[in-house]
Amino acid sequence: AQTVTQSQPEMSVQEAETVTLSCTYDTSESDYYLFWYKQPPSRQMILVIRQEAYKQQNATENRFSVNFQKAAKSFSLKISDSQLGDAAMYFCAYRSGRNTGNQFYFGTGTSLTVIP
Amino acid sequence: NAGVTQTPKFRILKIGQSMTLQCTQDMNHNYMYWYRQDPGMGLKLIYYSVGAGITDKGEVPNGYNVSRSTTEDFPLRLELAAPSQTSVYFCASSYAPGRKAFFGQGTRLTVV
Repeated sequence: AQTVTQSQPEMSVQEAETVTLSCTYDTSESDYYLFWYKQPPSRQMILVIRQEAYKQQNATENRFSVNFQKAAKSFSLKISDSQLGDAAMYFCAYRSGRNTGNQFYFGTGTSLTVIP
Repeated sequence: NAGVTQTPKFRILKIGQSMTLQCTQDMNHNYMYWYRQDPGMGLKLIYYSVGAGITDKGEVPNGYNVSRSTTEDFPLRLELAAPSQTSVYFCASSYAPGRKAFFGQGTRLTVV
């Protein structure tokens, strides 16, 4: 079974600085998707960024970018110019690319604190 | 340690039918959540619970009901299923907000 590991339960960053959240996963599949979700205190789960495994180029969304290392099965999230509103729990997730696979596998989350 | 278990994994409902999605966790977590995944939009919170006997609405509660009679179980009930409820549903639990959270693997529900 696929597993997703977030080894950093908590991280902190100074406002305007850059922080990187780590995520590793284990799979034998070649076709899959990876996601980063943000869970603010409202408890919503906001999609931050998505990466298709077949794409070599790292996904970028404004201040958020990923470092996708397929061979190493690593999918880290970099937040640049951190803002107070970035404080939240961040979850890494994996989904199979197979049509019959709707199951997601989530990491246990990293709590990000942004220090003014 | 089974973590969070959701059943069923797949279900097809006819319009107007009802069903219950089961969620159970064995970690003695106080907080439990139900989300639905809308494509490209992340997961929307349907209901959550901060402990046995306590539930509260999230962002999209209409058409759903929950109960939390025990710490372990947090079933989600769909009454009068509608096509708009076609989605993937996730249950999650955590000891407290900001602490490690564990997710079920999801239930794909199709309403036809």
